[in-house]
Amino acid sequence: DIQMTQSPSSLSASVGDRVSITCRASQSIGSYLDWYQHKPGKAPKVLIYGAYKLQSGVPSRFRGSGYGTDFTLTITGLQAEDSATYYCQQHYGALTWTFGQGTKVEVK
Amino acid sequence: EVQMGESGGGLVQPGGSLRLSCAASGFTFSSYWMSWVRQAPGKGLEWVANINQDESEKYYAGSVKGRFAISRDNAKNSLYLQMNSLRGEDTAVYYCVRAWAKVNEGPPLEYWGLGTLVTVSS
Repeated sequence: DIQMTQSPSSLSASVGDRVSITCRASQSIGSYLDWYQHKPGKAPKVLIYGAYKLQSGVPSRFRGSGYGTDFTLTITGLQAEDSATYYCQQHYGALTWTFGQGTKVEVK
Repeated sequence: EVQMGESGGGLVQPGGSLRLSCAASGFTFSSYWMSWVRQAPGKGLEWVANINQDESEKYYAGSVKGRFAISRDNAKNSLYLQMNSLRGEDTAVYYCVRAWAKVNEGPPLEYWGLGTLVTVSS
């Protein structure tokens, strides 16, 4: 099984800051990597798919990058409403998928 | 508007069974892969199972393989998860998710329900 290692597990930043979350796959997954935002009591929401493609309706301050085993989600100009837990997820081959452990983002 | 509504959660004893249902609306259900994803209390998201449009392909996480079965009824716009031999570690909120129309085209997990809570405890 492909394992996904996400870091950091949590971070705290101020409004307007730039933050980055990394995700590493245990083997190459090409660009089959997606990012989700999850707020308590709400349905998770896809932000980025295919490593860098911005989902319709998602603000452009969210950016995904990477290929192979190393990926990054960058939020530029952090907003208060970005407080949430963020997950990476691989969907490479065999249609068995795995999520990273999650990164809790607190906006001060 | 695309909507998924999960039901069937509740308290069940270890070793017991439960069947979750998901009523989908706002899209052509029979045209999409569907998935179940869960989140244990205080833990992260865990993918559980996928099913294709005509039930000819089903995939499971290793933690549930052989115990859980995903199915669907396209005539009723409904997705199901039969859970057998339940364990404490299966305690979680279970989400019904609309997946792809075509594999690797677009985001794989695009529309999520709000989930139903399954508690496995004696």
